[in-house]
Amino acid sequence: GEDVEQSLFLSVREGDSSVINCTYTDSSSTYLYWYKQEPGAGLQLLTYIFSNMDMKQDQRLTVLLNKKDKHLSLRIADTQTGDSAIYFCAESMGDSASKIIFGSGTRLSIRP
Amino acid sequence: GAVVSQHPSWVICKSGTSVKIECRSLDFQATTMFWYRQFPKQSLMLMATSNEGSKATYEQGVEKDKFLINHASLTLSTLTVTSAHPEDSSFYICSARDWDSRLGAFFGQGTRLTVV
Repeated sequence: GEDVEQSLFLSVREGDSSVINCTYTDSSSTYLYWYKQEPGAGLQLLTYIFSNMDMKQDQRLTVLLNKKDKHLSLRIADTQTGDSAIYFCAESMGDSASKIIFGSGTRLSIRP
Repeated sequence: GAVVSQHPSWVICKSGTSVKIECRSLDFQATTMFWYRQFPKQSLMLMATSNEGSKATYEQGVEKDKFLINHASLTLSTLTVTSAHPEDSSFYICSARDWDSRLGAFFGQGTRLTVV
């Protein structure tokens, strides 16, 4: 079945790197996503990675995918107070009608 | 990027009444929209997949008579919580997928429903 798991909390010091981890079970997933949710708001797509990629970098964000272990991570370099939010890992099949399955979310808090 | 608008942002209703939540894709056509419910401890639960012009597909454990979904056009899906009870109080979020499936789904801002 489909299952996506994340740790619930992460606390980092401002300026350090944050690494949020995620594991998934569906090996047929085509795309994997990271979403950000700020308090009281909907979800914002941060980045995605295709299942045949190992790494994707976008400014301060680096996504690593280990398909063998079904492990996905999001690294945020130089973490700022504005990065405080809940980060959701998600997986989906390839077509636009496929549902997206979310992890439980990781709440990232920033220490001064 | 694509914009999904959800209305209302929050609503308070009396127990036993029905509440309708709208989800609109503003600048793209969405043949498929999704309705999620978010519980206080963060997890996002998929309730149903809404397909334009056909019946919604409900996830296991979600009462289709309780949560009525209508997707009458390519830009609008509605979720009606019928005969609401306090346990239905939650944060409801809709999302829609564009044709470019790489982009996942775009989300509305959510609706906070409180049933008193």
